[in-house]
Amino acid sequence: TQLLEQSPQFLSIQEGENLTVYCNSSSVFSSLQWYRQEPGEGPVLLVTVVTGGEVKKLKRLTFQFGDARKDSSLHITAAQPGDTGLYLCAGIRAGGTSYGKLTFGQGTILTVHP
Amino acid sequence: EAGVTQFPSHSVIEKGQTVTLRCDPISGHDNLYWYRRVMGKEIKFLLHFVKESKQDESGMPNNRFLAERTGGTYSTLKVQPAELEDSGVYFCASSFWGVAGAPREQYFGPGTRLTVT
Repeated sequence: TQLLEQSPQFLSIQEGENLTVYCNSSSVFSSLQWYRQEPGEGPVLLVTVVTGGEVKKLKRLTFQFGDARKDSSLHITAAQPGDTGLYLCAGIRAGGTSYGKLTFGQGTILTVHP
Repeated sequence: EAGVTQFPSHSVIEKGQTVTLRCDPISGHDNLYWYRRVMGKEIKFLLHFVKESKQDESGMPNNRFLAERTGGTYSTLKVQPAELEDSGVYFCASSFWGVAGAPREQYFGPGTRLTVT
């Protein structure tokens, strides 16, 4: 059983289209992070959301944390070929002394065609 | 400033052999984490060091895995003896110290791809 369900696993779209990636759980997270990973490299942090209902924007990327802190979404507006890559959500579970132990979703492989 | 480095980048070994992976964290980062991604699965936590002490090793699969961080600098992860299911990409990450629950950005290394045949 996966703690963080990320969907879709694969996304293939045309340049200029919009897309949303979802990350859902039945557990509460004290924070939720989104990473992007390129081939041969480790994940690179894009954003951290910590407050229920929080919305953060990073250029054409919009990140939202659910009110109950159990889910998050990543929305990309007017996708570009340079957005192609693996996107990962990861969270730190609420409660206890997790000290940064990250729980990851399976990832979404995004391909944006010119 | 140098990022997190891992060595080797690739390792192919036979079942039953021993392999040691190394991670050099960013200088000054007290926290060091090991994660693993098995093919088709999500990245999973293995263990967490604070300086030289193991803070959380709840993700270590079994006693064939031994992690050390002598002197609180670099860390090694030894697999002995390796089994087929140990194949995957092993990531190391480091971060500054933060209080419980307070996120501190983890910087990931490029990973070591381990193949056990």
